[in-house]
Amino acid sequence: EFVLTQSPGTLSLSPGDRATLFCRANQGLNSNYVAWYQQKPGQAPRLLISGASSRATGIPERFSGSGSGTDFTLTISRLEPVDFGVYSCQYYGRSPNTFGGGTKVEI
Amino acid sequence: EIQLLQSGGGVVPPGGSLRLSCAASGFTFHTNAMSWVRQAPGKGLEWVAAISGSGRTINYADSVKGRFTISRENSDNTVFLELNGLSADDTAMYYCAKDSTPLYMTYLFDHWGQGALVSVSS
Repeated sequence: EFVLTQSPGTLSLSPGDRATLFCRANQGLNSNYVAWYQQKPGQAPRLLISGASSRATGIPERFSGSGSGTDFTLTISRLEPVDFGVYSCQYYGRSPNTFGGGTKVEI
Repeated sequence: EIQLLQSGGGVVPPGGSLRLSCAASGFTFHTNAMSWVRQAPGKGLEWVAAISGSGRTINYADSVKGRFTISRENSDNTVFLELNGLSADDTAMYYCAKDSTPLYMTYLFDHWGQGALVSVSS
């Protein structure tokens, strides 16, 4: 069973800061199947990144993903006020698929 | 524009049952697998069930296997989740989600419904 652990639990930053979010797996992942989602309070998740590094349609360039093996990273280069929310990683492509516990970004 | 409009949800007693619906529009419904994903209060996302575009392939998370049933009616562009034998652990916001790739079950979700709250309480 794949387990995804996200860190930190909460990130408190200011607009213009760089945010780095981590997703660590308990075993090696196929990076083709790592995704990141953003979720704002009271809203459904929104797909940001698939294949570890490919931005979904309409996602701004300030969002980027990287990583391989057991360690994956989501970077927001310059935070904007609209970027607050919870970010979750996912290992997909198989059943059952797995989500991490999330990182809350506070602006 | 792709839309997933959910209905159902509510408060049910332990052991009770509920049916959730998700009406889709804006894409060729029968070509895309659909899933249900839930989120307990203050917790992370948990995938629950998936059904292929044809309805022939169905998968469940171990936590709901034998109690929940996913189905779809392609003539109505609707996917359903029937919840039986509910317990407090099933209290969550339930989202339907569209698989991103037609004709495959990738479990990568590019569109989500607005959510339906299921609360199990006596």
